[in-house]
Amino acid sequence: QVQLVQSGAEVKKPGASVKVSCRASGYTFTSYYLHWVRQAPGQGLEWMGLINPGGGTTIYAQNFQGRVTMTRDTSTSTAYMELSSLRSEDMAVYYCTRDHYGDYLFDYWGQGTLVTVSS
Amino acid sequence: QSALTQPASVSGSPGQSITISCTGTSSDVGGYNYVSWYQQHPGKAPKLVIYDVSNRPSGVSNRFSGSKSGNTASLTISGLQAEDEADYYCSSYTSSNTRVFGGGTKLTVL
Repeated sequence: QVQLVQSGAEVKKPGASVKVSCRASGYTFTSYYLHWVRQAPGQGLEWMGLINPGGGTTIYAQNFQGRVTMTRDTSTSTAYMELSSLRSEDMAVYYCTRDHYGDYLFDYWGQGTLVTVSS
Repeated sequence: QSALTQPASVSGSPGQSITISCTGTSSDVGGYNYVSWYQQHPGKAPKLVIYDVSNRPSGVSNRFSGSKSGNTASLTISGLQAEDEADYYCSSYTSSNTRVFGGGTKLTVL
């Protein structure tokens, strides 16, 4: 069955970076875009960007340009999202979710990774 | 890219129908039939309930339906049940090949 399994919760200081992983199984990793979506406490969903695991190309939301880097390792079917220069407003649950090329929908989601930013 | 506009909250009694709107622009909702809707219960990941404006994934109740007119998409839930109480988010593909979510709507079943 399809699964997206994310890495565990993180606690970071302001100004630091965090790298969250998302390991895919149960489907062909390179056939689906992998998106990252975050949700601050009590707030809505915010799309951060996507990576095409097939070629490694990325598209980032304007709000995160220059601070986010999405990569992948096809040998382990794992996607990574690194966010730098963390500030308190980046405290959120970060989700990975997949989207079949040309389908424009998010059918499976990871369990979420809580990133806490605190001095 | 600004978030799509949804009402903050809606409510209804069991058995009734409710509709949640999602307003965007001609660069997202109005320009493509790629609007999807997600249900999120507290502490859980979102769940897809409608895709491509009006299609239901396998396993989603036929009480959920979607539509679109111009720059506004809508999600209707008929025959409200207690288990429908959750947050609902719309999402759209955009002309920049990005995605955008609505601000979310809290559904309360009275």
